Amino acid sequence: DAGVIQSPRHEVTEMGQEVTLRCKPISGHDYLFWYRQTMMRGLELLIYFNNNVPIDDSGMPEDRFSAKMPNASFSTLKIQPSEPRDSAVYFCASSLPGTDTQYFGPGTRLTVL
Amino acid sequence: DAKTTQPNSMESNEEEPVHLPCNHSTISGTDYIHWYRQLPSQGPEYVIHGLTSNVNNRMASLAIAEDRKSSTLILHRATLRDAAVYYCILRHTPGYNAGNNRKLIWGLGTSLAVNP
Repeated sequence: DAGVIQSPRHEVTEMGQEVTLRCKPISGHDYLFWYRQTMMRGLELLIYFNNNVPIDDSGMPEDRFSAKMPNASFSTLKIQPSEPRDSAVYFCASSLPGTDTQYFGPGTRLTVL
Repeated sequence: DAKTTQPNSMESNEEEPVHLPCNHSTISGTDYIHWYRQLPSQGPEYVIHGLTSNVNNRMASLAIAEDRKSSTLILHRATLRDAAVYYCILRHTPGYNAGNNRKLIWGLGTSLAVNP
């Protein structure tokens, strides 16, 4: 298996633009997690899904952030409009049914100018 | 939510054992202790986890205190590739039946440097 796939790996955009981050979980995994990592705040859980349904979105910072999982093999995290403080590395992770182990993707490094 | 406390950084020499401590004095009875590590420019990767008993796998050993208020991740022979940030994490379970709760509570971790 290729592991969790994230795209793009790097994104540079200007303040006010819409940003869409994409994630393909490992096949057969039923949980999908979106995290954000910064030097100041470390790794923060934004939202996670179980069987394509959002379970906990309490970490989503504000209404500018939205996440969807239209099917078992694809999820998006959208920021609209983006702001410089959104600059971070965004990770997607997935896990197998009945286990806690999370498998992380390589991350998307987002820079908002 | 129960929190973990880890030293900000530690240093070790190659081929020597490393003991990475973690305090979790407010841990509840159903909280699992997980360890992940993050190599430079990569996503975190799972290392080991346990509930009450000590655990061993090919990567490391996990020693859990009898009162479960602390644990230690043991790397038996550090290599240069083990230089990473190590996270001690509690799996938050609101009750005996965690249902679909899969939330992990992350701290800032311990940055381990390995000297050649």
